[in-house]
Amino acid sequence: DVVLTQTPVSLSVTLGDQASISCRSSQSLEYSDGYTYLEWYLQKPGQSPQLLIYEVSNRFSGVPDRFIGSGSGTDFTLKISRVEPEDLGVYYCFQATHDPPTFGGGTKLELK
Amino acid sequence: VQLVESGGGLVQPGKSLKLSCSASGFTFSSYGMHWIRQAPGKGLDWVAYISSSSGTVYADAVKGRFTISRDNAKNTLYLQLNSLKSEDTAIYYCARQWSLDYWGQGVMVTVSS
Repeated sequence: DVVLTQTPVSLSVTLGDQASISCRSSQSLEYSDGYTYLEWYLQKPGQSPQLLIYEVSNRFSGVPDRFIGSGSGTDFTLKISRVEPEDLGVYYCFQATHDPPTFGGGTKLELK
Repeated sequence: VQLVESGGGLVQPGKSLKLSCSASGFTFSSYGMHWIRQAPGKGLDWVAYISSSSGTVYADAVKGRFTISRDNAKNTLYLQLNSLKSEDTAIYYCARQWSLDYWGQGVMVTVSS
């Protein structure tokens, strides 16, 4: 199975700071159709996860442009510029390129 | 788009349970669907997937014990959980398509004697 390693496990920020989360895969996530099925989710306390980014860098409907996904192959990054209070929670990467799909372990974004 | 899970509860080890996910607001038959679970205080754990044509994929931890299915006429996704173990205790979420673009609110399954 593909292993997704997220770092850091937790991240303390000041509101207005930039935050960066890494997701490294044990295998390339580029599918044979040329797409890379790497997604990012945010789970706010007490809520279901919500999709932020799909296919590495595409923001889902309604997601603010301060969320930026990038990367290729095995290395991916989610950057949040100007962290706002509603951005706090746990972030997960997820790959749907290889079966079975797998999640990263999560990164908790909290206030310093 | 709305996904609503039901069927959770407290069940003894070795017993069975069937979860449902009622879908609305989209053409259910056109989409693959997933089940994902989250043990208390833990991260997300992918469980199973069923395609629009009813092909299935399972996580190794549940293969042979859980069965994902769908009824397109009822716009409903199912997860049959058999031979339950304490480590299956979790909130179970259904989610739509490969990108998991919409999630339900989740349903709690507790496996305990």
